[in-house]
Amino acid sequence: DTAVSQTPKYLVTQMGNDKSIKCEQNLGHDTMYWYKQDSKKFLKIMFSYNNKELIINETVPNRFSPKSPDKAHLNLHINSLELGDSAVYFCASSRFRGTDHQETQYFGPGTRLLVL
Amino acid sequence: AQSVAQPEDQVNVAEGNPLTVKCTYSVSGNPYLFWYVQYPNRGLQFLLKYITGDNLVKGSYGFEAEFNKSQTSFHLKKPSALVSDSALYFCAVRDIGGNQFYFGTGTSLTVIP
Repeated sequence: DTAVSQTPKYLVTQMGNDKSIKCEQNLGHDTMYWYKQDSKKFLKIMFSYNNKELIINETVPNRFSPKSPDKAHLNLHINSLELGDSAVYFCASSRFRGTDHQETQYFGPGTRLLVL
Repeated sequence: AQSVAQPEDQVNVAEGNPLTVKCTYSVSGNPYLFWYVQYPNRGLQFLLKYITGDNLVKGSYGFEAEFNKSQTSFHLKKPSALVSDSALYFCAVRDIGGNQFYFGTGTSLTVIP
């Protein structure tokens, strides 16, 4: 069984379109994340949710909006796509024990977004 | 500010030789340190972590890492490299005050047959 899954795996779209990427985890984790990996493989956190509540919101254009309908899902909606949004987007999850931040993150397989 | 640095973009090693992938960190307080591996077209996979205790941490696939507080380093090592170890390796530090990871820029390891 896949622990952290993302759909779609590949996404090719035109500039200006609106698209969503879905993420689901079946690990019973409380915390979920979205990361962006650029063409140079640099990995940067975008958002983090704990129990459906936004706890990290890095400097990301407000065209990007995360939505967490429940603890097991964290979707990423992107409005007005731009060429620079082309990247691989990874979802991840971990347990959360208050201020004890030892928990390992488990990553999804990634969504490869190409904006034309 | 918390950060982590991987000084080498690329490491090449012959199969059967020992390998080292370097990582240094900068944190305010005690660090929680992690190593992840990314195979081509895959997500990151957890290898090992240091939280507290023994400075030598053993992880998956025969990898280990040594926490060195005086040198603020957490280098990844393996005694005998395999061709299948060829991948992208990320060091990460956990922000104790917040709830996020800071990842290094990654080191591409190539094991030459």
